Amino acid sequence: SQQGEEDPQALSIQEGENATMNCSYKTSINNLQWYRQNSGRGLVHLILIRSNEREKHSGRLRVTLDTSKKSSSLLITASRAADTASYFCATDAGFQKLVFGTGTRLLVSP
Amino acid sequence: GAVVSQHPSWVICKSGTSVKIECRSLDFQATTMFWYRQFPKQSLMLMATSNEGSKATYEQGVEKDKFLINHASLTLSTLTVTSAHPEDSSFYICSASPSLTGRGSYEQYFGPGTRLTVT
Repeated sequence: SQQGEEDPQALSIQEGENATMNCSYKTSINNLQWYRQNSGRGLVHLILIRSNEREKHSGRLRVTLDTSKKSSSLLITASRAADTASYFCATDAGFQKLVFGTGTRLLVSP
Repeated sequence: GAVVSQHPSWVICKSGTSVKIECRSLDFQATTMFWYRQFPKQSLMLMATSNEGSKATYEQGVEKDKFLINHASLTLSTLTVTSAHPEDSSFYICSASPSLTGRGSYEQYFGPGTRLTVT
C-alpha cells in the first residue's frame, strides 16, 4: 500500500496545549498537504508545503517537511475545543493524485 | 474559497439498486475531479480520477463496471454505484482542483461527502 502512516492515531489534550501530529510517507512527492475532517463531514484544506520547503506557518499551524526522512509534522499551538477533529496528511506525487495518511484523531477538552 | 458540492448528502437504498452521486464545482471549472471512499474511522482511499470528456481512470482493485463515473461537464462529475450491496455502504467524497492542466502543486477542494447505506 502507498498509504502514509500518521502518529499518534489518537491524541487527547487540554485547551491551550499544543498538539503535534506526525506523518510518514513512502514515495517522492511534489507537495504534502494537511487536511482536517470533522466527524462525518468533508475535508478542509489546512496547509500545503512544497517539496523544496522545510517549514510553513499559517495562523496557529506550523508544518515541517523533511524529505530525506520522508516525514512531516503538524503543530497546532494553543489548541481550542473547536480543533477537535481528525487530521490527515496527503501527499501529491504527481497529477494531483493524493495519497492520504491514516489520520490522527484529536480531542481537545475544555 | 472554491466550493464543491455533493448531492445527495446521504442516501439509503436497497440491495441490487443503483445510486447516483453528483459532485459539482460551484465557482470554478475542473477538468479533473477525484472520487474517494472512506470507511468509518479510516482514511480516504482514492477510487478513480474523473476527466472531463474522457474515460475515468480507476485505481487498482476498484471495479469500473460497479462504480460508473461520468464527467459530463467542467463542473459536474457523477458516480453511480450499480447493483449496490451492503459492503458498498461507505462515505463517498469527491474533490476538484481549479487546475487547467491537471499537473502541478494545487490544492484540492473537497465536497462534503455522501453517506451511502445499502440495506
